[in-house]
Amino acid sequence: DVKVTQSSRYLVKRTGEKVFLECVQDMDHENMFWYRQDPGLGLRLIYFSYDVKMKEKGDIPEGYSVSREKKERFSLILESASTNQTSMYLCASTLPVGASRSNTGELFFGEGSRLTVL
Amino acid sequence: AQSVTQPDIHITVSEGASLELRCNYSYGATPYLFWYVQSPGQGLQLLLKYFSGDTLVQGIKGFEAEFKRSQSSFNLRKPSVHWSDAAEYFCAVAPLNTGGFKTIFGAGTRLFVKA
Repeated sequence: DVKVTQSSRYLVKRTGEKVFLECVQDMDHENMFWYRQDPGLGLRLIYFSYDVKMKEKGDIPEGYSVSREKKERFSLILESASTNQTSMYLCASTLPVGASRSNTGELFFGEGSRLTVL
Repeated sequence: AQSVTQPDIHITVSEGASLELRCNYSYGATPYLFWYVQSPGQGLQLLLKYFSGDTLVQGIKGFEAEFKRSQSSFNLRKPSVHWSDAAEYFCAVAPLNTGGFKTIFGAGTRLFVKA
């Protein structure tokens, strides 16, 4: 069964702390994503990566950075956490277009990491 | 601008009753269309998708959705709701051939099921 694993389900951090959120997928997907989910706002894209060491900003990249040193792992970093970054963070992956006839870009999600910043 | 609208923030239905969740999108051409479900404390799981062909698509867990080009809608339906269907449902659209990079999500509809 395909799987996207987010190592931390729940985290509580203090303002100013550095936070790492890790995501690993076992599907050999090229594309990986970090979303933020807030009530009433749906999912908003923070960053995505289409290859190792490649990254692109999404819609709300401010205050975040990412790292993709290996194909299967995509990390989200909060250099100095703030209370307005309290949220649910979702990692996802997908195949690139053309990888297969049936690929329509559907996303495979991890279970989420709920971060609280005090 | 591209957008996805789910007009109902939450819906309550009785177990065994039928369900319809609404989704409208604004896009220049017919995109790929998706419905995802999120159970409490979980990530999102794909329920069904439409990209071409028959406008009525079947998904997992007994769900179906109908694409109506003239109304720019992709409403999700289920004939008989089970208590385990209580979750949040997200409609999403993605432009053709973008590999998920440009997926846009609606704000979600939370479904409550009463006994």
